[in-house]
Amino acid sequence: DSGVTQTPKHLITATGQRVTLRCSPRSGDLSVYWYQQSLDQGLQFLIQYYNGEERAKGNILERFSAQQFPDLHSELNLSSLELGDSALYFCASSVTDKETQYFGPGTRLLVL
Amino acid sequence: GNSVTQMEGPVTLSEEAFLTINCTYTATGYPSLFWYVQYPGEGLQLLLKATKADDKGSNKGFEATYRKETTSFHLEKGSVQVSDSAVYFCALSDRGNYGQNFVFGPGTRLSVLP
Repeated sequence: DSGVTQTPKHLITATGQRVTLRCSPRSGDLSVYWYQQSLDQGLQFLIQYYNGEERAKGNILERFSAQQFPDLHSELNLSSLELGDSALYFCASSVTDKETQYFGPGTRLLVL
Repeated sequence: GNSVTQMEGPVTLSEEAFLTINCTYTATGYPSLFWYVQYPGEGLQLLLKATKADDKGSNKGFEATYRKETTSFHLEKGSVQVSDSAVYFCALSDRGNYGQNFVFGPGTRLSVLP
C-alpha cells in the first residue's frame, strides 16, 4: 500500500459525459501527478500540481482539467468523453517535485 | 523532447535465469532515472532510481547503473523468481522549461516460468 488513495476504482459512463476522479496523496506529500495508461499509448504523464499550483503539463487534452485543493487532494475532470478516453488513470504523489513518486491503485474508466 | 526507449517484450525466462531489460533515454538536461514495476492489477511501484551519472540503484536483487556516455539505464537481476513476473517501466525526470518533465518508457512485460 503506497498511501495514495484513488476513488472510484471503476467507472463506467457514456460518450459525451463528464466524470471526476479523485486522489488523496500520501500524508506530507505536496506534489500530485496524474497519468493515463492505455494499451495503445502506454503510460502518459498528464499534469502535476505542487502545493495547490499547476507545476508541469504533459499530454493533457483540453477536455481534461485538474486542480489541487488546500487539503492537497486532487481531482481530475474529464469532459465530453470519447471511447478513446477509456483507460487506467493513475495518481501519484511525492514530497516535492524532485522526489520519488508513489502511485495509487488507479481508476479504471470505461467509456461506452 | 525527452524520451525513453525500452526493449520490446514480452520477455519470458525460466526461474533462476539472468535478466536484462535495456533502457536508453534522450534528455536535454541531466535527468534522474527510475525503474518502476507494475504487478497485475496494481499501480506502479518504484523499484530503484539513480540521480546522477555512474550512480547504481539497487533493490530486491535488481540493479541498474546510470551510464551518461551511453545514455542507458539497463535493469539486471542475477536470478529471477516467478514472483518477479510483472511489467517494468523505465522512466526519467528532468527539469524542463515548465517544471519537471516525466517520461515513461512503454514498459516491458516479464514472465518467469517455474
